[in-house]
Amino acid sequence: NAGVTQTPKFRVLKTGQSMTLLCAQDMNHEYMYWYRQDPGMGLRLIHYSVGEGTTAKGEVPDGYNVSRLKKQNFLLGLESAAPSQTSVYFCASSIEGLAGGDLSYNEQFFGPGTRLTVL
Amino acid sequence: AQKVTQAQTEISVVEKEDVTLDCVYETRDTTYYLFWYKQPPSGELVFLIRRNSFDEQNEISGRYSWNFQKSTSSFNFTITASQVVDSAVYFCALGSGYSTLTFGKGTMLLVSP
Repeated sequence: NAGVTQTPKFRVLKTGQSMTLLCAQDMNHEYMYWYRQDPGMGLRLIHYSVGEGTTAKGEVPDGYNVSRLKKQNFLLGLESAAPSQTSVYFCASSIEGLAGGDLSYNEQFFGPGTRLTVL
Repeated sequence: AQKVTQAQTEISVVEKEDVTLDCVYETRDTTYYLFWYKQPPSGELVFLIRRNSFDEQNEISGRYSWNFQKSTSSFNFTITASQVVDSAVYFCALGSGYSTLTFGKGTMLLVSP
């Protein structure tokens, strides 16, 4: 199993350009997440998905869009990149959160990260 | 709203010293989960432990131990006899509400030989 993979690993964009980050997992996980990590800020949730065809906003969703057309893939899009979006982006996945009717948090498995620079 | 505070931004120790990383959380939920993750210099995030709010037993795994105290809303992490390979950023995280985690800002641990 490859676990969680992210494409690309590095990218440099100019302000106003668009791009899509791809996250793929082969663990049949229902839940997938996109985070950004900035110095001194920890990890902040951008968007997440609790299943194929669903998406929801996290803490810092502005300027990003996501899609989950297939269970194994979760795409993060930047329509018009800004220097404030320079960051390291992490994707994560976890197995279904519900267990016996009660919400049960399972650990999230993280991808290796994508380092994005917007000039 | 959930909140996780890791007040120690950076800790430096010499190898073989014991070190404790503090984590204080806030939540109004009675059911919640706490996590610790490690991020070594290579950048990946590695899961270390999960604890639910109903289990206050301390846990020990080799040189690692965790102390969960609901009375003080703390979930502290101790490394005994630290090693250079323990150098990393450590994140505490809280899960409550629906399926998302709130991370602290992390504590950078530097272990020198």
